[in-house]
Amino acid sequence: NAGVTQTPKFQVLKTGQSMTLQCAQDMNHNSMYWYRQDPGMGLRLIYYSASEGTTDKGEVPNGYNVSRLNKREFSLRLESAAPSQTSVYFCASNRPGEQYFGPGTRLTVT
Amino acid sequence: RKEVEQDPGPFNVPEGATVAFNCTYSNSASQSFFWYRQDCRKEPKLLMSVYSSGNEDGRFTAQLNRASQYISLLIRDSKLSDSATYLCVVNEAYKYIFGTGTRLKVLA
Repeated sequence: NAGVTQTPKFQVLKTGQSMTLQCAQDMNHNSMYWYRQDPGMGLRLIYYSASEGTTDKGEVPNGYNVSRLNKREFSLRLESAAPSQTSVYFCASNRPGEQYFGPGTRLTVT
Repeated sequence: RKEVEQDPGPFNVPEGATVAFNCTYSNSASQSFFWYRQDCRKEPKLLMSVYSSGNEDGRFTAQLNRASQYISLLIRDSKLSDSATYLCVVNEAYKYIFGTGTRLKVLA
């Protein structure tokens, strides 16, 4: 039981490049989330998926797209990376009362 | 006003000390409340849920005051291993709203 896995762990992009962050969970949870964490800002919700086939915007969705591929997988895409998207990205899945987080992706955009 | 506010600290305390963290939230309709722990450069992990009646888990005690929209965490007999950032989290439907965290450093 791996819990929540994320790939890659680290990534450096140039401004304007695109990439997809992958997330998968093996706990059969319905809800999945993408957050970004910046110093002094706490975790901010980018998008979430309450169940397979649905996605909704969170607090900071601009510049991102998501796909809930199936119940296990929830990916986050940056179409044209900007330096303001330099951050640590966490994926989480949820059962009532607890969120389980992946180990994070550290993204730097130069 | 931020939805969830915490004192960022840092709180530097000696081993064995008792330390308390506070958190306020703005939405009176918030449904559930939690404390998460985050170690440096790691993912957050659930420390404990917070109930209106208060709850205790070993050296950790959490309290909720819905009237004042206030949550607290008390750590007794602090250990070096308690050094971390403690995140106050409020749940509203599908959303989990995180405070910016309070840093604790326990000194030998």
